[in-house]
Amino acid sequence: AQSVTQLDSHVSVSEGTPVLLRCNYSSSYSPSLFWYVQHPNKGLQLLLKYTSAATLVKGINGFEAEFKKSETSFHLTKPSAHMSDAAEYFCVVSDLGEYGNKLVFGAGTILRVKS
Amino acid sequence: DTGVSQDPRHKITKRGQNVTFRCDPISEHNRLYWYRQTLGQGPEFLTYFQNEAQLEKSRLLSDRFSAERPKGSFSTLEIQRTEQGDSAMYLCASSFPSSTGLTYEQYFGPGTRLTVT
Repeated sequence: AQSVTQLDSHVSVSEGTPVLLRCNYSSSYSPSLFWYVQHPNKGLQLLLKYTSAATLVKGINGFEAEFKKSETSFHLTKPSAHMSDAAEYFCVVSDLGEYGNKLVFGAGTILRVKS
Repeated sequence: DTGVSQDPRHKITKRGQNVTFRCDPISEHNRLYWYRQTLGQGPEFLTYFQNEAQLEKSRLLSDRFSAERPKGSFSTLEIQRTEQGDSAMYLCASSFPSSTGLTYEQYFGPGTRLTVT
């Protein structure tokens, strides 16, 4: 079965400093991986996805993630944090079944941005 | 706004009552998913439909839960004889096959927060 582990439940950064949210995955086949963001009282929004093309994936709002097969990692980064980045972030792997895919979510990382 | 919509946004019910939630997917999406998210956890898959056919159900979906998508458009999720452990955010998502036919981006609604007292 596919799974993801988010290594930090909370991350705190200062505005303008880099962001690193860590994710390791487990998959029996070449995975499709995603990062979603959830702001308070808002729905889940797709930040970026990896689907076996380029290993460095660029997403919205300046986020990017690098797929490293040798390390089974898919860490999310951003060069400079903004106050509006404060939210919960989920690393997600797609679990392909006979008829299609369902998403398997990590436990989430809450990002706090200090002014 | 043509995103995924869910109704109601909040539901408070007493233990033992039945509740029903509705999800309206993005109109051209033929796949519809239900997930449940409890406090401090990521969403967990419950079930999904392709058009009107329910293709997979999680073991999390007990006999008290039933989902339908009668005309391949909106979907309902009913919980009978609610228990306090059913308190959670119920999320709906929809998708349309990508050009590869395999990797589906799922678009989520705002969720229905259920509180069972």
